[in-house]
Amino acid sequence: AQKITQTQPGMFVQEKEAVTLDCTYDTSDQSYGLFWYKQPSSGEMIFLIYQGSYDEQNATEGRYSLNFQKARKSANLVISASQLGDSAMYFCAMREGLLLQGGKLIFGQGTELSVKP
Amino acid sequence: DVKVTQSSRYLVKRTGEKVFLECVQDMDHENMFWYRQDPGLGLRLIYFSYDVKMKEKGDIPEGYSVSREKKERFSLILESASTNQTSMYLCASSPLDRAKQPQHFGDGTRLSIL
Repeated sequence: AQKITQTQPGMFVQEKEAVTLDCTYDTSDQSYGLFWYKQPSSGEMIFLIYQGSYDEQNATEGRYSLNFQKARKSANLVISASQLGDSAMYFCAMREGLLLQGGKLIFGQGTELSVKP
Repeated sequence: DVKVTQSSRYLVKRTGEKVFLECVQDMDHENMFWYRQDPGLGLRLIYFSYDVKMKEKGDIPEGYSVSREKKERFSLILESASTNQTSMYLCASSPLDRAKQPQHFGDGTRLSIL
């Protein structure tokens, strides 16, 4: 069965330091997409970054980068130069196939990140 | 910007009531989704729809139904609310044929069933 695992329920990082949030996935499909979302305490889900299974380069978006290791089935999120506003819950999600089943996402359990001043 | 609007941020209902959660998106997206979020479990898919009047069960459809009469609106219905349906409910939408496009979420509805 398809599955996303985030093994870090909570993490702390010092302001201005980098932090890595872990995500491993399990799928038998060759074509899939991986997403990271941020959820502040206010509740809205904010899309951060996307990595396609056929993308050769690791995705980057500003301070966010995705360390994609396909053979290990991992898609870790790296946040550089942490800011206080980065304190939030972070979710890793996977979409299997290109467009199958309407593009359903499977989510991990989430990691709560706290940035210390 | 894509806007997904959920009708209520907070809702309190009683056991046995019929509860309607409404979701409207303004980007002409074909796909719409309803998730519930519980601590330690992440987001779990309840139902989704890829076209008007079409619906598909997600991973946890029991106790819920949905309605999609218009493309922009997707309603989640709790036929007879129970306390174990107290949760955060999130609606999302996405275009049908764009693999890299993320799902866009509403702000969520925190539902309490007393």
